[in-house]
Amino acid sequence: GAVVSQHPSWVICKSGTSVKIECRSLDFQATTMFWYRQFPKQSLMLMATSNEGSKATYEQGVEKDKFLINHASLTLSTLTVTSAHPEDSSFYICSAPGLDSSEQYFGPGTRLTVT
Amino acid sequence: GQSLEQPSEVTAVEGAIVQINCTYQTSGFYGLSWYQQHDGGAPTFLSYNALDGLEETGRFSSFLSRSDSYGYLLLQELQMKDSASYFCAVNTGGFKTIFGAGTRLFVKA
Repeated sequence: GAVVSQHPSWVICKSGTSVKIECRSLDFQATTMFWYRQFPKQSLMLMATSNEGSKATYEQGVEKDKFLINHASLTLSTLTVTSAHPEDSSFYICSAPGLDSSEQYFGPGTRLTVT
Repeated sequence: GQSLEQPSEVTAVEGAIVQINCTYQTSGFYGLSWYQQHDGGAPTFLSYNALDGLEETGRFSSFLSRSDSYGYLLLQELQMKDSASYFCAVNTGGFKTIFGAGTRLFVKA
């Protein structure tokens, strides 16, 4: 099946700094990718849809200036958490859809801890 | 708004059968998926129903009734390794997927 990777797998940063998370489709091209956030023992909350070559589409309540998304190529989307705060600490997961949209291929996730 | 409802927890014993229900209310519907997630891991795809009826994949089966906005995941011959969270998810269009809150399944020996 299709493989999606994320880097880093975990990161610790200080409040006020920015962190960039990469999401790559390794063996297929993805014009669309999705970014989710998951707090412990909770569901995956869709943050935004990343579109190759155009602006991302953010879900209601997600600050686009805080969570910057760049989909610069057909295999790479990045999420930058700017001016991180402890409440941004979470598990961030990206996904890319399969050809027939029945399945999402998820990356392994990035655990962000803001101190 | 959009909502997917599923039980928060289910407990069963090894070898048993368990059914996890999901009801949904979304602005668009193209199909119902089920994902499994172990603690600390990423979700993995289990099944997808776009049309009414039952889909069977090994020990797992999934059912959909579009008229009732309802589906379920059936796990048979439960094993300890099946202890995980299970999420139902709706494809609302344009590849976009909305997830339910998840059901934590505990399998006891």
